[in-house]
Amino acid sequence: ETGVTQSPTHLIKTRGQQVTLRCSSQSGHNTVSWYQQALGQGPQFIFQYYREEENGRGNFPPRFSGLQFPNYSSELNVNALELDDSALYLCASSLRGEKLFFGSGTQLSVL
Amino acid sequence: AQKVTQAQTEISVVEKEDVTLDCVYETRDTTYYLFWYKQPPSGELVFLIRRNSFDEQNEISGRYSWNFQKSTSSFNFTITASQVVDSAVYFCALPVSGNTPLVFGKGTRLSVIA
Repeated sequence: ETGVTQSPTHLIKTRGQQVTLRCSSQSGHNTVSWYQQALGQGPQFIFQYYREEENGRGNFPPRFSGLQFPNYSSELNVNALELDDSALYLCASSLRGEKLFFGSGTQLSVL
Repeated sequence: AQKVTQAQTEISVVEKEDVTLDCVYETRDTTYYLFWYKQPPSGELVFLIRRNSFDEQNEISGRYSWNFQKSTSSFNFTITASQVVDSAVYFCALPVSGNTPLVFGKGTRLSVIA
């Protein structure tokens, strides 16, 4: 059984650019969610996908968007990057309604 | 709205000492789950425990134990005989509904010194 894997592990972008982060869910899981973790803070919920449809969203602007694919892998896209977007982005997978299993995250730095 | 408070920002202990991490939560739900996760330097959040609000019995798993007190809205975590490998950031979390999404506290950074 493979765990949740995220790529890339580190990324550096400049303000105004766009970025795509990727996540492969744990085998058998049909739900994926994304969290943003700023330095020294707890993770904050961005959104969740179930069977390729968004079914929950936190307090993040529309420039944060996502996709879930038929194999349940997922992407997080962020447009018009801002300095405050610098954070660790964590992906988590689960069976719907069950506990979350997290990946190691992508560290995004916006300069 | 759900809220989780972890008042201890950082704790430092010497190996083999016992340490308790505090968690206080707020919810209007009558039934709910509570979680603890561990985040080692690798960044991955590792699931430790899930408790439901029906069951206030303390739980012990090896060197870990959890004290859930619904009357005080607390769900504290104790590590007995701490080890250097326990060094990590520990998060308490409460779901918005069901099991997800999770509202996390700010975490407690535990450093265990040899």
